[in-house]
Amino acid sequence: QVQLQQWGAGLLKPSETLSLTCAVYGASFSDYYWTWIRQSPVKGLEWIGEINGTGSTNYNPSLESRVTISADTSKQQLSLNLTSVTAADTAVYYCATLGYTGDYWGQGTLVTVSS
Amino acid sequence: DVVMTQTPLSLSVTPGQPASISCKSSQSLLYSDGKTYLHWYLQKPGQSPQLLIYEVSSRLSGVPDRFSGSGSGTDFTLKISRVEAEDVGVYFCMQSIEFITFGQGTRLEIK
Repeated sequence: QVQLQQWGAGLLKPSETLSLTCAVYGASFSDYYWTWIRQSPVKGLEWIGEINGTGSTNYNPSLESRVTISADTSKQQLSLNLTSVTAADTAVYYCATLGYTGDYWGQGTLVTVSS
Repeated sequence: DVVMTQTPLSLSVTPGQPASISCKSSQSLLYSDGKTYLHWYLQKPGQSPQLLIYEVSSRLSGVPDRFSGSGSGTDFTLKISRVEAEDVGVYFCMQSIEFITFGQGTRLEIK
């Protein structure tokens, strides 16, 4: 059974860096694209970016200047860094892999940006 | 960006009655490989989204056959033939032809 378990700081101040990690269990990391998605009442579901087993990444153009997605394949973990956060980055952040060959989501992490 | 527009934004349905959700994309979701990259998700209360239908009309294994998807190009529809209480939640369409974008969501409640 595939499980994604994520963690990271839930409360940030403006200008700080958001850092989240997601561990993958029960699936071969190299077989999928691993994705970060966030959800807020204002913007709804927003795709942040993705990484595959070889480390190739794609980012949402609207966030690309602030986002880094990386992976540690030996640990089967992916990470998200988002720099210079503002209140607009307040959201529930999900790690996930999407698609009919395997559609699995983490439990979500609420990240609040507030001074 | 490929903009996804869903209507209606909310639905209140009596159990056993049908429901229909429309999703329109700002550009065609038909790719050169012949596939159309439009998918439907359901987010049940307190849960992460879950895939129901991929590539317009293919139900994921385990999804009840009361759910069906149709459409082509830029216009798509999700239909529930007979709504049940467990269908409550927010339905999203999602395109994956150019990066990934989601519709705003349609909240389904039971009357």
